[in-house]
Parts: sequence; structure tokens; C-alpha cells
Amino acid sequence: GAVVSQHPSWVICKSGTSVKIECRSLDFQATTMFWYRQFPKQSLMLMATSNEGSKATYEQGVEKDKFLINHASLTLSTLTVTSAHPEDSSFYICSARHRLAGADEQFFGPGTRLTVL
Amino acid sequence: LAKTTQPISMDSYEGQEVNITCSHNNIATNDYITWYQQFPSQGPRFIIQGYKTKVTNEVASLFIPADRKSSTLSLPRVSLSDTAVYYCLGRASGNTPLVFGKGTRLSVIA
Repeated sequence: GAVVSQHPSWVICKSGTSVKIECRSLDFQATTMFWYRQFPKQSLMLMATSNEGSKATYEQGVEKDKFLINHASLTLSTLTVTSAHPEDSSFYICSARHRLAGADEQFFGPGTRLTVL
Repeated sequence: LAKTTQPISMDSYEGQEVNITCSHNNIATNDYITWYQQFPSQGPRFIIQGYKTKVTNEVASLFIPADRKSSTLSLPRVSLSDTAVYYCLGRASGNTPLVFGKGTRLSVIA
């Protein structure tokens, strides 16, 4: 149980185009999802917190107009990288919060590797 | 959220026990200590979580002293497949996100 999927697993796009990444909780409802970005050899950096039915909360330095987040249902959050540029090339990882008996857990998706040419 | 400090890297031979210690001097009263494992080009995977004393599961053990200012992840008899980055995180229960430090890169050698 508690599986999180991401689609696509990798994407290559031209500079200036927009790319949408989906994050789904497959067997549980996730009222909160989180989006991270990871550059090579670096740690994960939190980009934003996504709550179902409300606007996402972005971390300082993350452009909300460039990284559009939509959390339309309890099992799906999407991240759209608008007008992508080569510096947006990175590994994007989502996670979903699942409330288990006695603890809160965050389960991570497998990640999406974005390459902008 | 507690700021954590871990060794940048560690090496170990196969079959040995590996202990990775994490310092979290300013941990809050309601923070849990959580460890994640990450392989290259994959999302982090939960290993173990604890609040105090000792927690053990099928993968690892977690030791947290009474003052909770540090914790030690113990991996018994590591294999080559345990080569990964291990992250120690402190977080409060509830809706707060996990904030990752730099992690410890463990290399297991045959």
C-alpha cells in the first residue's frame, strides 16, 4: 500500500515549451502533496506544498507563475513547468502525505527527469 | 524543523554493520526522527522513524538517546545494494513537509 506514481518518468522538450508532470496516490487519498526538485549530486529541495482544492504554497525563491501546481482531486496533483528553459532541467519528485495509525508518513514518487534542450 | 548534520560519505565492506549518526541539536519536542534512503534517479524511500529509545524493523534499527540531540541508523550486514544516499530528517507531526539535508552517501564495497 501507499504507492505514489509519477508520469512521465522522463521527458525531453524544447526550450520555451511547457511540460506537465502528474503525481498520483494510487491506493490512498492524499489531502497534501509536496513537490521537490533535485539537481545532480545534490539533495532534494522543497518547491511547494499542494493542498487539495486550494492554492499551493510555494517556497521562497520558487516562481509560482513558472511552476503551476494544481491539486484537483485527492489522488492527483500536477506540476506544469511553463516556458521551460535549460536551467529547469532537473529531477522532479513528488510526495504524498498519508495518515497512518499512530503516525504521519510521506511517500515519494519515483521522480520525473526533465531535460530542456 | 530540526536542522540535521550527517557525515557526507561513508564506505563499508559487504557483510559489515554500518552505523550512520545524525546530529539534531535543536530538535523540537514534537519532532520525529525519520530516515530515508535514495538510489540514483529514484525517489526517496522511507526506512525507519522514531521518537526516542530504540526502534527496529526488518530493514534497520534506529537508536535515539534520551536527550534526542542525535540519532544513529544501524544497517546490519550491508550488501552492495545498500549503496545509496541516506537522509536523516526531523519533522513535526502534522502537515509539515520533509526538509532534506545533504545526506550521507554510503558506498558498499565487495
